[in-house]
Amino acid sequence: GENVEQHPSTLSVQEGDSAVIKCTYSDSASNYFPWYKQELGKRPQLIIDIRSNVGEKKDQRIAVTLNKTAKHFSLHITETQPEDSAVYFCAATYGAQKLVFGQGTRLTINP
Amino acid sequence: EAQVTQNPRYLITVTGKKLTVTCSQNMNHEYMSWYRQDPGLGLRQIYYSMNVEVTDKGDVPEGYKVSRKEKRNFPLILESPSPNQTSLYFCASSINRGTDTQYFGPGTRLTVL
Repeated sequence: GENVEQHPSTLSVQEGDSAVIKCTYSDSASNYFPWYKQELGKRPQLIIDIRSNVGEKKDQRIAVTLNKTAKHFSLHITETQPEDSAVYFCAATYGAQKLVFGQGTRLTINP
Repeated sequence: EAQVTQNPRYLITVTGKKLTVTCSQNMNHEYMSWYRQDPGLGLRQIYYSMNVEVTDKGDVPEGYKVSRKEKRNFPLILESPSPNQTSLYFCASSINRGTDTQYFGPGTRLTVL
């Protein structure tokens, strides 16, 4: 069935260190993989996305990698800062219309 | 200002009392959807709509109804709410499809007693 597994559920890192969050999906036909950030009490907002014809995408301190063979993708945040503390959600599309989210990762940056 | 709005933002109700949560977007988006957010379960799609009068079930549609009579509005209807529908609900819209950037509303926290 349509499923996205996200790990870890919580992650704590020291300010300045890197953070990595991993997701796996079940349908080899999935072709769009966004990442959303949700700050406490706020709505989710897109931070980066990748499509299946690309293996890696970078935007300043944030990067996403995609391994289509293994059906997993990862979010990498380098030089973490306190404002990176939030819940992060990965997602994968099933067909052109359905978006399935992972369970979320609560990232805490320790000063 | 381009935005997605939801009302009410907070609602406490009782089992069986019909309620509607409204969602409106001013970006002329074709695609709209509803999600519920529960701890440890992430965001789960309830229903989505690709255009006026075109809706389809997401992963957890049971107990919910939607309608899309106008492009800008996509209300979520709970005909007979139950305590297991206590959750944080988000409406979202995108230009065309599920594969476009989703713009979320501010959320509606619903408690069913």
